[in-house]
Amino acid sequence: QSALTQPASVSGSPGQSITISCTGTSSDVGGYNYVSWYQQHPGKAPKLMIYDVSNRPSGVSNRFSGSKSGNTASLTISGLQAEDEADYYCTSYAGSYTWVFGGGTKLTVL
Amino acid sequence: QVQLVESGGGVVQPGRSLRLSCAASGFTFSSHALHWVRQAPGKGLEWMSLISFDGNNKYYADSVKGRFTVSRDNSKNTLYLQMNSLRPEDTAVYYCAKDYSGRYTIDYWGQGTLVTVSS
Repeated sequence: QSALTQPASVSGSPGQSITISCTGTSSDVGGYNYVSWYQQHPGKAPKLMIYDVSNRPSGVSNRFSGSKSGNTASLTISGLQAEDEADYYCTSYAGSYTWVFGGGTKLTVL
Repeated sequence: QVQLVESGGGVVQPGRSLRLSCAASGFTFSSHALHWVRQAPGKGLEWMSLISFDGNNKYYADSVKGRFTVSRDNSKNTLYLQMNSLRPEDTAVYYCAKDYSGRYTIDYWGQGTLVTVSS
C-alpha cells in the first residue's frame, strides 16, 4: 500500500492552466478507473472534485477536469482563480476494498 | 445536507487506547459504507478503514490492522473507531467519511478530530 506519487507543489498565474500528476502502479491507478481528486483548504475537510477518473460531482466547476493514461492520472485546472489555491490529493481504489492516496500537491496561484 | 461530526480525540499516552465517534445526519446512514482516513500534521491523507453498510464487512490498512477496530451502530447513526496500542506515529487528524456508493470513492468528509499520542 505505497502512496501514489504527486508533485509537492505547482504554481500558476490567474487565468492560466495547470496540471497535477498522480502516478501509481498497475495495482491501483492503472488497474481501475476509480481515481478521485480532492481539494483541501487549510484547516478544512477535503472536497471531492473528480471521481471515476474524469467525472465532476454536481456543483464543481467545469474548469476542473481529470484524465488517466496507464498508471498516471492527471487533474487539470483551467482559468486559474485565487480560490483554487489549496492542497490537492489524488486517490485510487487498490483492490480488496482498500484505497491509496497521493502525498498531496500544494497549488499556489501567483 | 450530509453532516459527519467526529469526536473523542485528545492527548493519549503511547500504548493506551482511545475510541473515536462519528455522528452522521442528512443521509440514510444504514445504506452506506463508511471510511476512516487520517492526516498526520503537515502530511498527506492516509486511508485506514472501511466498514460496510450493515457492519458485517470491515477492511483495514496494513498500518493499523490488528490495533484498530471499526464498528457502527445503525440505530444511533454513529460510526466508531477503537484504537488500541497507540503509537506516536498515530498522531493525526482523523476523518470519518461517507462512501460514494458504487463509485469506490468518498464523497463527503467530516471536519476531523485530532489525536495526539505523546507521553
